[in-house]
Formats: sequence, C-alpha cells, structure tokens
Amino acid sequence: GIQVEQSPPDLILQEGANSTLRCNFSDSVNNLQWFHQNPWGQLINLFYIPSGTKQNGRLSATTVATERYSLLYISSSQTTDSGVYFCAVEGDDYKLSFGAGTTVTVRA
Amino acid sequence: EAGVTQSPTHLIKTRGQQATLRCSPISGHTSVYWYQQALGLGLQFLLWYDEGEERNRGNFPPRFSGRQFPNYSSELNVNALELEDSALYLCASSPGAGYGYTFGSGTRLTVV
Repeated sequence: GIQVEQSPPDLILQEGANSTLRCNFSDSVNNLQWFHQNPWGQLINLFYIPSGTKQNGRLSATTVATERYSLLYISSSQTTDSGVYFCAVEGDDYKLSFGAGTTVTVRA
Repeated sequence: EAGVTQSPTHLIKTRGQQATLRCSPISGHTSVYWYQQALGLGLQFLLWYDEGEERNRGNFPPRFSGRQFPNYSSELNVNALELEDSALYLCASSPGAGYGYTFGSGTRLTVV
C-alpha cells in the first residue's frame, strides 16, 4: 500500500501563530484528505484535495501531486485548533491510508 | 443532512464474547468503510463495502467480519474478543470509490 509520512509529529504553538504541516506520500493517489481529530475521537474532514490549492477560513491546503506531497497551513492559530491532524490518501486499491498524524497544541 | 451515525457510542465486552457495531451512512452514499484506531497503532483499514458486497479487506483475522444491508447501513462483528481489540472503531461513507470520505463519531470498544 501507499506509505504516508507526516511531519512534524508534534507542534506546540502560541495562540496567534502560523504553522505548516507536511504530508509526503509514496505513490500517485486518486484522493487526498486532511482531517482534524477532536478530543472525542471524531475525524472532521478539513479538505478533499487530490491536487491544487483550497482555502477555508484560517486553514488552507496545497497538494502537489507530481511531487507527492501536501501541505496544510494554519494561520492565526486558536486554542480550538488543538488536536491531531491526519493526512490520508487513496490509491488504486480504493482504501484510505493514514499517516501517523501531527499533534498540535495551541497555548493561550 | 444527517451525517454518518454509529452506535453504540461505547461498548464494554468480556474477552471471548462477540461485539456488534453499527453504522448508517449519509443518504445517497453507497460505500461504507470501517477503520480501527488502537492506542499507539494509528488508523488501520478494516473493511470496505459497496452495493452490499465486500470489496476490500485489511490485514485483520477472519473473526472481524461484517455486512452491508440493502439500505447501505453496515454492521461490523468481532467474534472471540481479545484484549487487544480494545480500540475506537470508525465508520466512514462516500458516494463511491475515489470520492471524499465522511467519518462518524466512532464506537469505543473496551474488552475486559
């Protein structure tokens, strides 16, 4: 299956700071999604972004499919942004493979 | 529009028992996926159902099984429970292969 690597594994931010999370994947993909897992375990879909750039409020994402990476940008971080961010990709086997996640802690 | 719903929210079982977890997809979604998130092991793909058929299976023993009903809802059954089956089980649905996934809130299974 496709290997997914996320970096950094942990990120501690002061409220108001900006940050970039990275996702590298080992093969071409049909689908790439970024999720935020809240403290209760639910995976909230942030972006469906197999290629290109998207923005949603303070969050934006860019996927460069030809170079097999995606970036998630968090601007003006808030304490509610804390949690684990997962990158997941779907290849020709039609199953979503997840990275290990980036744990983000935003301090007031 | 209702999201993906899972039940029960929490489940406590004794080792050796059977557990049944349920998932209702978003209306119009025909594909249902099951994932296991055990402590320290990340999110592992379990099963994919589409149009009532099992389409793909992850690296799990046969005691993990399931089915998809004509209304596209799904059940995950875990037989002969072991302590290491304790995990958060997440269900997702999509309109079909290659489209985005939407996840439910999960069922937290504890085996004692």
